[in-house]
Amino acid sequence: GQQLNQSPQSMFIQEGEDVSMNCTSSSIFNTWLWYKQDPGEGPVLLIALYKAGELTSNGRLTAQFGITRKDSFLNISASIPSDVGIYFCAGTPGTDKLIFGTGTRLQVFP
Amino acid sequence: EAGVAQSPRYKIIEKRQSVAFWCNPISGHATLYWYQQILGQGPKLLIQFQNNGVVDDSQLPKDRFSAERLKGVDSTLKIQPAKLEDSAVYLCASSFSTSGGEETQYFGPGTRLLVL
Repeated sequence: GQQLNQSPQSMFIQEGEDVSMNCTSSSIFNTWLWYKQDPGEGPVLLIALYKAGELTSNGRLTAQFGITRKDSFLNISASIPSDVGIYFCAGTPGTDKLIFGTGTRLQVFP
Repeated sequence: EAGVAQSPRYKIIEKRQSVAFWCNPISGHATLYWYQQILGQGPKLLIQFQNNGVVDDSQLPKDRFSAERLKGVDSTLKIQPAKLEDSAVYLCASSFSTSGGEETQYFGPGTRLLVL
């Protein structure tokens, strides 16, 4: 089945640093979404991207829909302790089904 | 606005036992999804309902898993009999319509199942 490869698997950074993570696919996706999941909770949508090349910001978060439609990245600027969690990319490959990536675990140290 | 409700939050059973999970979506949301999230992985769609009809159940192991949404609101997911590899978090999500990724899916907190 279709898979989304997400990297890095985990990141350990200091508070105030910028973070970048990305997601790639072997096939074209029509939408790219970025979710954050806190321990014991379900994923929460951070940013949704609908067009190739689209660059969208949500506060300190910025995400882009790759031109090839096979990749996306998420940047977090000036990280804070509450950014800790698992970040998932997800996308729709032309059907209604949402495919999730493997996740990037972010740890922020004060 | 109340979010997606799920119960129970935790369940521990022995293999070959049966278990059922309940989901109450956001009021007015026509589409309901059940996902399985194995530790260290992203959620994987098991079944999608629009109102009380099944839209996609291609990844549901139908020999042991079943789900229903009889009145188009609440839904239950059942596993009978459970296997060790069913240990996972079962997430319910809902969306207003069924436009796939263009329609935001709101997730519940999940039910954590441990099969011993």
